[in-house]
Amino acid sequence: GQNIDQPTEMTATEGAIVQINCTYQTSGFNGLFWYQQHAGEAPTFLSYNVLDGLEEKGRFSSFLSRSKGYSYLLLKELQMKDSASYLCAVMDSNYQLIWGAGTKLIIKP
Amino acid sequence: EAQVTQNPRYLITVTGKKLTVTCSQNMNHEYMSWYRQDPGLGLRQIYYSMNVEVTDKGDVPEGYKVSRKEKRNFPLILESPSPNQTSLYFCASSSGEGGNEQFFGPGTRLTVL
Repeated sequence: GQNIDQPTEMTATEGAIVQINCTYQTSGFNGLFWYQQHAGEAPTFLSYNVLDGLEEKGRFSSFLSRSKGYSYLLLKELQMKDSASYLCAVMDSNYQLIWGAGTKLIIKP
Repeated sequence: EAQVTQNPRYLITVTGKKLTVTCSQNMNHEYMSWYRQDPGLGLRQIYYSMNVEVTDKGDVPEGYKVSRKEKRNFPLILESPSPNQTSLYFCASSSGEGGNEQFFGPGTRLTVL
């Protein structure tokens, strides 16, 4: 079956760096997405990786290793507003998105 | 403003009373999708549509219907709602396959008593 694994919850300190991991097993691969979702709100797009390597976008970076079925989202200079759930999703061979359950990130002052 | 809209945002209903949740996008997107989100389970796809008059089942289609008569609209229909359909529902759209991000509506919180 298809599976996306990410930690349920993480805690970090304001100003620090945090890495949220995602491992996947899917039928084919057409890219990996990261979304941010604040409580009670809609998910919003953060990043897309289809080739191996690191994609940097401001304070957020996303890494992909297709051979390992692994990705991470790196958040730098954490701010209180970064408290949210982070969703990993993989697009399979049928171009359908398979979603992880999300990682709830708690930022402490 | 490019957006996906859903109505209603909140709904409390009773078992068996048919309801429709509307979804509309103004970005001329081909692809539209419905998800439900439950604690600890993440987003699960209910139905999706690749274009007008083309719809397909997602992972959890039982108890739901959809239609895609126009490109911009993709309503979700619950013919006979049951309490296990109490959930947070999201509509999403994108411009098609590949690395195109999905844009999500604000969500509809449905409670079935």
